[in-house]
Amino acid sequence: GENVEQHPSTLSVQEGDSAVIKCTYSDSASNYFPWYKQELGKRPQLIIDIRSNVGEKKDQRIAVTLNKTAKHFSLHITETQPEDSAVYFCAASAPEAGTYKYIFGTGTRLKVLA
Amino acid sequence: DAGVIQSPRHEVTEMGQEVTLRCKPISGHNSLFWYRQTMMRGLELLIYFNNNVPIDDSGMPEDRFSAKMPNASFSTLKIQPSEPRDSAVYFCASSLVRQGEQFFGPGTRLTVL
Repeated sequence: GENVEQHPSTLSVQEGDSAVIKCTYSDSASNYFPWYKQELGKRPQLIIDIRSNVGEKKDQRIAVTLNKTAKHFSLHITETQPEDSAVYFCAASAPEAGTYKYIFGTGTRLKVLA
Repeated sequence: DAGVIQSPRHEVTEMGQEVTLRCKPISGHNSLFWYRQTMMRGLELLIYFNNNVPIDDSGMPEDRFSAKMPNASFSTLKIQPSEPRDSAVYFCASSLVRQGEQFFGPGTRLTVL
């Protein structure tokens, strides 16, 4: 069945360093890839997304890259800050193909050390 | 916009009792999703609706769980009878069909004793 693998499960970085989280999806029909950030006790919130007609998207310190051939997509956070500490989830879906549900990865707990 | 609204925010109940969780999606959204989150199993999709019609309920764990969406502005998730292993945070999310982004509600933290 459909599956999204996410690595690493935990990641610790020094403040100011970069963090990279990687995901792999199985369903070749997937064409929408959101990333959610969930702070402790809060709801997941979208931080960036990418569609399959684009290879890279950037929003300030956050960027996402997509390799459709390899079915890989990654989240890059530069100049990390303590407030970036949270759990990050990747997901894949195929809204243009009529599949609106997300297949979520298992999450990455990011700790930014001051 | 008030965002997705869920009630109650916290629920503590005893094993065997019926639990009803409620969700009001963002006005104009036509897809609604119910998720369960635990440390062990992460974020699990339980069921989702398009235009008030259940599309995929393959994530509903067993017959004790049921969900309804009687109209575009209201949905319920019911557990009867509840068990301690149902303890989790239950999120409702809504989206516009074909746009992709799902907006999550604040969640209901359920504790079954």
